[in-house]
Amino acid sequence: NAGVTQTPKFQVLKTGQSMTLQCAQDMNHEYMSWYRQDPGMGLRLIHYSVGAGITDQGEVPNGYNVSRSTTEDFPLRLLSAAPSQTSVYFCASGSGGRSGNTIYFGEGSWLTVV
Amino acid sequence: DQQVKQNSPSLSVQEGRISILNCDYTNSMFDYFLWYKKYPAEGPTFLISISSIKDKNEDGRFTVFLNKSAKHLSLHIVPSQPGDSAVYFCAASTGANSKLTFGKGITLSVRP
Repeated sequence: NAGVTQTPKFQVLKTGQSMTLQCAQDMNHEYMSWYRQDPGMGLRLIHYSVGAGITDQGEVPNGYNVSRSTTEDFPLRLLSAAPSQTSVYFCASGSGGRSGNTIYFGEGSWLTVV
Repeated sequence: DQQVKQNSPSLSVQEGRISILNCDYTNSMFDYFLWYKKYPAEGPTFLISISSIKDKNEDGRFTVFLNKSAKHLSLHIVPSQPGDSAVYFCAASTGANSKLTFGKGITLSVRP
């Protein structure tokens, strides 16, 4: 997981609160993305970015915002947290090429919404 | 509509034997397939991949087979080791991008 840093590792939120999950990579990758992992659901794509200033929705974007002002950072914002957003969140970055070993994941952020 | 399917949630094998993990897909536009391994409390790590122009790719103990006509791929681990015990995710992508669609994962347990 070298090169992709996520913070915080653990967070508990109350329903309605807002927060930002931070993601930074130091590999100069153009492509960055956020996934959530839920029991029995695998990893589902929330939002992704193919470069600074460019973002797009994934499979489950509702309730989340993203922005990409720099190549290095791709924060994920929860504007009004809901219990359904309790999950493990993974940030990933890649060079956008076809080689799978260029896609790196962070260690994950465990979020609980009560 | 799940485009990448790992229908078996778990697999248990004896150390030294072969582990075969299966994956099916429905989207014929997928042309690049990857396997990721995940330990608890860690992020997924890349294991092996295969392009749709190939039917086999081998890396040490790990071999991935692709059957495009059946829209099926499998990961073979030979010989299996206790350290291989983890969750394995199959993933697929289209074109030259890193946007991945994942299966639900399969938990592999290798018994000593």
